[in-house]
Amino acid sequence: QQQVKQSPQSLIVQKGGIPIINCAYENTAFDYFPWYQQFPGKGPALLIAIRPDVSEKKEGRFTISFNKSAKQFSLHIMDSQPGDSATYFCAAAISGSARQLTFGSGTQLTVLP
Amino acid sequence: EAQVTQNPRYLITVTGKKLTVTCSQNMNHEYMSWYRQDPGLGLRQIYYSMNVEVTDKGDVPEGYKVSRKEKRNFPLILESPSPNQTSLYFCASSGATSGTYEQYFGPGTRLTVT
Repeated sequence: QQQVKQSPQSLIVQKGGIPIINCAYENTAFDYFPWYQQFPGKGPALLIAIRPDVSEKKEGRFTISFNKSAKQFSLHIMDSQPGDSATYFCAAAISGSARQLTFGSGTQLTVLP
Repeated sequence: EAQVTQNPRYLITVTGKKLTVTCSQNMNHEYMSWYRQDPGLGLRQIYYSMNVEVTDKGDVPEGYKVSRKEKRNFPLILESPSPNQTSLYFCASSGATSGTYEQYFGPGTRLTVT
């Protein structure tokens, strides 16, 4: 049973475009939602995270939008660059056991120059 | 440099030949975990450890063993590997005092079982 569903599986955008990656979760007990970025040959690294008490969080060009009622959250990358080409994973966890992350299936993003 | 190291990085083995993948972290983290990454399935947790001598099953523990005798080390053991364990494996650690719950991942071990 996949508790966090991620889409799309792959995404290609031109430089400067705004790729959007979507995730939906089922477990209403989840209250911590991080995004991890993975470059080829590397392990994932934390990019940005949000808790459900806010609807949006920005860090540089990366923004998480959160819709608690719809049980959905998304990652937007403003002014995307070729260096943003990577695989992105959304995840969810319950505070207190927040190291028990449930990951989405991943989105392979390619930003064309 | 704060890091999680894994060895080996690449491993090709045959069905049934016991193997161990080592994981070590130098950040004094209490929590350590093993994941496997497969195309279209994302990262799935195999086992985790909240501290020394405390381990528990994740989502896909079948065919794997772990131990946590020292805080810094968390080896993954495949007693009798099978081809369906061919995958990319990641070790991760996290500190109890980290308010972000950030997990630090190692570089990965690509395992092929023939």
